Amino acid sequence: DAGVTQSPTHLIKTRGQQVTLRCSPKSGHDTVSWYQQALGQGPQFIFQYYEEEERQRGNFPDRFSGHQFPNYSSELNVNALLLGDSALYLCASTPVGGGPETQYFGPGTRLLVL
Amino acid sequence: AQSVTQLDSQVPVFEEAPVELRCNYSSSVSVYLFWYVQYPNQGLQLLLKYLSGSTLVKGINGFEAEFNKSQTSFHLRKPSVHISDTAEYFCAVSATGSARQLTFGSGTQLTVLP
Repeated sequence: DAGVTQSPTHLIKTRGQQVTLRCSPKSGHDTVSWYQQALGQGPQFIFQYYEEEERQRGNFPDRFSGHQFPNYSSELNVNALLLGDSALYLCASTPVGGGPETQYFGPGTRLLVL
Repeated sequence: AQSVTQLDSQVPVFEEAPVELRCNYSSSVSVYLFWYVQYPNQGLQLLLKYLSGSTLVKGINGFEAEFNKSQTSFHLRKPSVHISDTAEYFCAVSATGSARQLTFGSGTQLTVLP
């Protein structure tokens, strides 16, 4: 059983560009959460998707947007990239009816903005 | 809202010595508590969790943690560390009954010296 997969693994962009990161949840999981982990910091919650809707959102600007598809996979889009958006972006999925203790993290996408 | 404070950013310890990584949290509601480990260039792996019941919880790799409600702490301990325990450790909290959003501390780098 594959765990949470994320693509790409690494990405380099320049300021002002737009980026799309992708996440496929673990089999049997229907909820996807995204986190940003800046260098030397703990992960920060960006938003969570369930039934193709954004259910919760952290303290991130509207430049950060997302989408969830019928197969439960998800995308994170960031517009007008800033140098400060350089970070490891983690996707986590949760099974149907599961609580936070069942959240399973992917390996992350490392984004570098130059 | 919840917050997590990890009191030590770096903890060096010799192999086979005991270690304690400290975590304090703040919340106005009941919480679940977690410890995650992150090895270099990898995602997060759940070490252990406190949901309810016994305040002493045991996790993988010989780690354990004790929930102290009066001191709002959830310190992580291991009686004898190995070189392979070298990693970043994150304490996290989630409100009970929430939609699975985790709030993380800033992390503690555990370095085990030979």
